[in-house]
Amino acid sequence: GESVGLHLPTLSVQEGDNSIINCAYSNSASDYFIWYKQESGKGPQFIIDIRSNMDKRQGQRVTVLLNKTVKHLSLQIAATQPGDSAVYFCAENRRSSGSARQLTFGSGTQLTVLP
Amino acid sequence: DADVTQTPRNRITKTGKRIMLECSQTKGHDRMYWYRQDPGLGLRLIYYSFDVKDINKGEISDGYSVSRQAQAKFSLSLESAIPNQTALYFCATSDLVGGKGETQYFGPGTRLLVL
Repeated sequence: GESVGLHLPTLSVQEGDNSIINCAYSNSASDYFIWYKQESGKGPQFIIDIRSNMDKRQGQRVTVLLNKTVKHLSLQIAATQPGDSAVYFCAENRRSSGSARQLTFGSGTQLTVLP
Repeated sequence: DADVTQTPRNRITKTGKRIMLECSQTKGHDRMYWYRQDPGLGLRLIYYSFDVKDINKGEISDGYSVSRQAQAKFSLSLESAIPNQTALYFCATSDLVGGKGETQYFGPGTRLLVL
């Protein structure tokens, strides 16, 4: 079936280290991917996106890598800070019918930054 | 000055009661969505609307209804609340821009407890 999932439900990293959060998707028709951050008690917040015609995109301290061959997406956070502690979701976006698009979310990875 | 607001933020109700959750946005987006989030699970789509005259069922629409009163307002109703509708509910908006794909912007969430 179609799914967006994460390899690990939890990830702990030392403050200052780099974090890598992984995501697998199964629908080859997906052409747009988004990473969201959700802090406790808040709604998901957009971090970075990438289109399927790209394999890498960088933002401020974050990089998203897309490997379409193995249908894998990753989010790299450089110099992880305590404020990065949150649940991170990947989402895949694809055209469903006509002009409609469908967004499917993974279950999330809890990132904990250790002092 | 939040772009997407939800009311109430917390609600406790009893089985069988009808309740309404409201969402307002100032982003000027045409598309609005209602999701629910359960512990350890990702976001699941309940209903979505691409404009004022458009309403579509999502993955888990049973037991829910929606109303798109205006471009900026999208409300979710539980006709007869039941305990397994206890969850965190999120409203989101998006605007499909130039074929890029679709990034959704989320409200802060409504925490609902059905006794």
